[in-house]
Amino acid sequence: EVQVLESGGGLVQPGGSLRLSCAASGFTFSSYAMSWVRQAPGKGLEWVSGISGSGGSTYYADSVKGRFTISRDNSKNTLYLQMNSLRAEDTAIYYCAKAYSGGWFFTDWGQGTLVTVSS
Amino acid sequence: DIQMTQSPSSVSASVGDRVTVSCRASQGISNYLAWYQQKPGKAPKLLIYAASSLQSVVPSRFSGSGSGTDFTLTISSLQPEDFATYYCQQTHSFPLTFGGGTKVEIK
Repeated sequence: EVQVLESGGGLVQPGGSLRLSCAASGFTFSSYAMSWVRQAPGKGLEWVSGISGSGGSTYYADSVKGRFTISRDNSKNTLYLQMNSLRAEDTAIYYCAKAYSGGWFFTDWGQGTLVTVSS
Repeated sequence: DIQMTQSPSSVSASVGDRVTVSCRASQGISNYLAWYQQKPGKAPKLLIYAASSLQSVVPSRFSGSGSGTDFTLTISSLQPEDFATYYCQQTHSFPLTFGGGTKVEIK
């Protein structure tokens, strides 16, 4: 059974940093692209970042480019999102999502981890 | 960036009704479109990919159609468990983008 489990969310002050992790199991992690998708309270879904299975290609939304860094450790079956220079508008539930083989839509999602940026 | 516009933003319907949700892309995306269902407090669930392919274990009352810029999600006979918010997503190019969502509510 495919499972992805996020961790690392919490309360952080504006300008601060946070690193999210996503532990994956039940599939050959290195064979699948992964993404982070967020949802601000009461709002819709926003794609944040994606990474290829090898980690050699990374992609970002304009809203986070230069502040967030996506990475993966295929030996640990873990996806990461390093978030720097956090802003109030980054407050959201952050979901880790497994992409379909050969397409950037998402077949499996974690339960999400809440990031709150506030002083 | 490709903008995805969904309509309506909400719809009230009764059990057994046929419901359609529209999604329009700001430029042609061929069939690179997915649909998701999200219930309150839960992660999204993939329903449809490649505009019209049904994800495994998704009931056949869900269907998708369209190509280019205009797409439709149809629920042929609404069931109680279908009351949720539905999102489209273009998978054609980066940055990936979602529609604003359509909430299907009980009439």
